[in-house]
Amino acid sequence: SQTIHQWPATLVQPVGSPLSLECTVEGTSNPNLYWYRQAAGRGLQLLFYSVGIGQISSEVPQNLSASRPQDRQFILSSKKLLLSDSGFYLCAWGSGTSRGETQYFGPGTRLLVL
Amino acid sequence: QKEVEQDPGPLSVPEGAIVSLNCTYSNSAFQYFMWYRQYSRKGPELLMYTYSSGNKEDGRFTAQVDKSSKYISLFIRDSQPSDSATYLCAPHTGTGRRALTFGSGTRLQVQP
Repeated sequence: SQTIHQWPATLVQPVGSPLSLECTVEGTSNPNLYWYRQAAGRGLQLLFYSVGIGQISSEVPQNLSASRPQDRQFILSSKKLLLSDSGFYLCAWGSGTSRGETQYFGPGTRLLVL
Repeated sequence: QKEVEQDPGPLSVPEGAIVSLNCTYSNSAFQYFMWYRQYSRKGPELLMYTYSSGNKEDGRFTAQVDKSSKYISLFIRDSQPSDSATYLCAPHTGTGRRALTFGSGTRLQVQP
């Protein structure tokens, strides 16, 4: 069965510090991978998605970046965090079948920027 | 107008009640409709997945899609306190950009 991992679970960082969040998927190959952010009481906002190694599409201009160095690894980064980067970051994978795609989410990383 | 809209709630019901959660959307190209359940401080989990109009039943849960009115519903029978969570609808076109468009979610509280 497929499993998706995220770490760390919780992170408190000062403004201006760098960020690296990691997501890995087990039990599937060539998944579509996604980074979403969820602000308190809000819906999910898509940040990045990837259909293959090294292929990243950005949905929202911001000071975040994403990379996919391996097939089942997706990394979210920032060189300098802003207060507005606080939120709940969710990684998801999808199978990308021709008849639509279901997505499965990881446990999330709660980021607080102070 | 948001592409997908949900009443944020909270919706509070007694244990055993039938719950109706609803979602409206504006994009007529949506063909696939998903419901996710999200417990507090956890990632969303896929609950139901339907294609086009009609009903789909899975245990106590029934998903209903009316494409003519762009209206999606999730019914929960015999609601339990463990159903207390936020429910997110997520329609999808099935083509093009593969990401889902999420509603902001409806928070449900089932009182014992």
